[in-house]
Amino acid sequence: DQQVKQNSPSLSVQEGRISILNCDYTNSMFDYFLWYKKYPAEGPTFLISISSIKDKNEDGRFTVFLNKSAKHLSLHIVPSQPGDSAVYFCAARANTGNQFYFGTGTSLTVIP
Amino acid sequence: DGGITQSPKYLFRKEGQNVTLSCEQNLNHDAMYWYRQDPGQGLRLIYYSQIVNDFQKGDIAEGYSVSREKKESFPLTVTSAQKNPTAFYLCASDRTAGGNTEAFFGQGTRLTVV
Repeated sequence: DQQVKQNSPSLSVQEGRISILNCDYTNSMFDYFLWYKKYPAEGPTFLISISSIKDKNEDGRFTVFLNKSAKHLSLHIVPSQPGDSAVYFCAARANTGNQFYFGTGTSLTVIP
Repeated sequence: DGGITQSPKYLFRKEGQNVTLSCEQNLNHDAMYWYRQDPGQGLRLIYYSQIVNDFQKGDIAEGYSVSREKKESFPLTVTSAQKNPTAFYLCASDRTAGGNTEAFFGQGTRLTVV
């Protein structure tokens, strides 16, 4: 059973516009969330994280929003750049747990 | 620079052979993990280790084995018992299992069984 879901396998956005990537989770024990991006044939690289005590965390062009009641988080990239084209994964972990649970990824294409 | 090193980046194996994937970290992290990724799926946990000389099975441990003799190293052996070993393998580490600590990932090893 997929505890972390990314229901959009792909997303295309014009350069300079906002990219919004969504992630839903089912386990109410999750309290730490991460976004990673992955280029082909490379390992994921950490982007941004948020803990459940916050509802927003910002780092440069990247902002993650957490809606605990809806069990939903989103990653906003503003403005989008062609170099942002990659697959983005969200991941979640419970503070009592030992592993991250990952979504299936959303492939973002930023069109110049 | 601190980080995680996985080697090799690409690995080919004949069917029926065991193969060992290397993962080394110089971050002084206690916890290390092995994940597998297949097309269209998220990363799935194979094994994890919270401390030297101790490790636990993840969701898909069958056909794999690990060791944690040193804090820096967590090698993964893909045995001949693994029915579908062709995949992308990622190693990760963080300071402690659980808690709000950032995880670091290696560059991955793409294993192909021929």
